[in-house]
Amino acid sequence: DAKTTQPTSMDCAEGRAANLPCNHSTISGNEYVYWYRQIHSQGPQYIIHGLKNNETNEMASLIITEDRKSSTLILPHATLRDTAVYYCIVRVEDSNYQLIWGAGTKLIIKP
Amino acid sequence: DTGVSQDPRHKITKRGQNVTFRCDPISEHNRLYWYRQTLGQGPEFLTYFQNEAQLEKSRLLSDRFSAERPKGSFSTLEIQRTEQGDSAMYLCASSLFSGPGANVLTFGAGSRLTVL
Repeated sequence: DAKTTQPTSMDCAEGRAANLPCNHSTISGNEYVYWYRQIHSQGPQYIIHGLKNNETNEMASLIITEDRKSSTLILPHATLRDTAVYYCIVRVEDSNYQLIWGAGTKLIIKP
Repeated sequence: DTGVSQDPRHKITKRGQNVTFRCDPISEHNRLYWYRQTLGQGPEFLTYFQNEAQLEKSRLLSDRFSAERPKGSFSTLEIQRTEQGDSAMYLCASSLFSGPGANVLTFGAGSRLTVL
């Protein structure tokens, strides 16, 4: 599996867009990029995933570079409730193997 | 559907005791996963089931750990002769078997184990 690199922590002002980067320079052509987040004392929560096209849902947008070596998760209008650890994972869709989680990015939204 | 349920939420036990955690997945999800998470780390995979079959076990899962999923519904994770190093959050997740939802895991709130 491709490894991912994320900053350890980031701050963002409430109401602003939070942009969380992820590097996955060894990603394979059939590997998707998945984003999860984990709010303190809760289980992880799925956010979004994509292969090569940009994706958007009610929670966030995912921008994947053309060479697919990096991506950015965008929370368009961050709120205090978005404070969490955000995990970027790459994985072949419908794989029989488990997701491999790094330490993620601790995002702190400041009032 | 109420999502993935885990019980108990918190368990404090003495070293050497046995503990059992239960997970009730989303009813239409064929796959069920157990993860362990320690402070400041991402979840570590322990094992997963497809229906009632246990298809993969991590090397982290020592002989003291056993997981079952009878009838492909709820699952239990038992830890025998607990050690202080077993103290962690034990997370259960479920997902669909195939297609775009296969890697979209729905997690429970976790069961926090403290071994004294």
